[in-house]
Amino acid sequence: ETGVTQTPRHLVMGMTNKKSLKCEQHLGHNAMYWYKQSAKKPLELMFVYNFKEQTENNSVPSRFSPECPNSSHLFLHLHTLQPEDSALYLCASSQDGGPSSYEQYFGPGTRLTVT
Amino acid sequence: GESVGLHLPTLSVQEGDNSIINCAYSNSASDYFIWYKQESGKGPQFIIDIRSNMDKRQGQRVTVLLNKTVKHLSLQIAATQPGDSAVYFCAENIFAGGTSYGKLTFGQGTILTVHP
Repeated sequence: ETGVTQTPRHLVMGMTNKKSLKCEQHLGHNAMYWYKQSAKKPLELMFVYNFKEQTENNSVPSRFSPECPNSSHLFLHLHTLQPEDSALYLCASSQDGGPSSYEQYFGPGTRLTVT
Repeated sequence: GESVGLHLPTLSVQEGDNSIINCAYSNSASDYFIWYKQESGKGPQFIIDIRSNMDKRQGQRVTVLLNKTVKHLSLQIAATQPGDSAVYFCAENIFAGGTSYGKLTFGQGTILTVHP
């Protein structure tokens, strides 16, 4: 148990659906991250929030929309996804967005399948 | 472009043996390196880190070696146990300074299988 929880753990959605992934951290951290993990590819950083402010959007398509209402919660809103978006979506948090950002704590991920 | 890669995608060892997982990086400006372990059905778990001003760092049963001359990083696991079976990732980072965060670049991963 890393102190970072993600729901749902598994999600199957059609290309016309709208769904949201939720992440919550219980570590008192101030920085949160979304990563995409596809088969045979390295982890890809998608978004970074530091003190609720988005500080990184790594050229992610607009069909992925993040939301960070406070330092403990992070959402990823999904709409009109493509089959190639099927992957494991990982949330992580770190103490802050400075040097402590290196030690990131990951949640278990949401396994997303787009049909 | 910059990349972090692994020499071997899979590694099989016997319980009790020592394991060595290698990683090559190409960005000479990287100042911080991390090893993560990912077990099936879980997210990556921090194992050990090393800064670029160090050559070696030891943890519990793990040692990370950094050779900046050849841009090579390795993770050594002593007395490997079946519970060590997982995918191991190296990651590198360039700290941007001030209050800016460091953006991790992950390698592809090595699958370690430990046989009883």
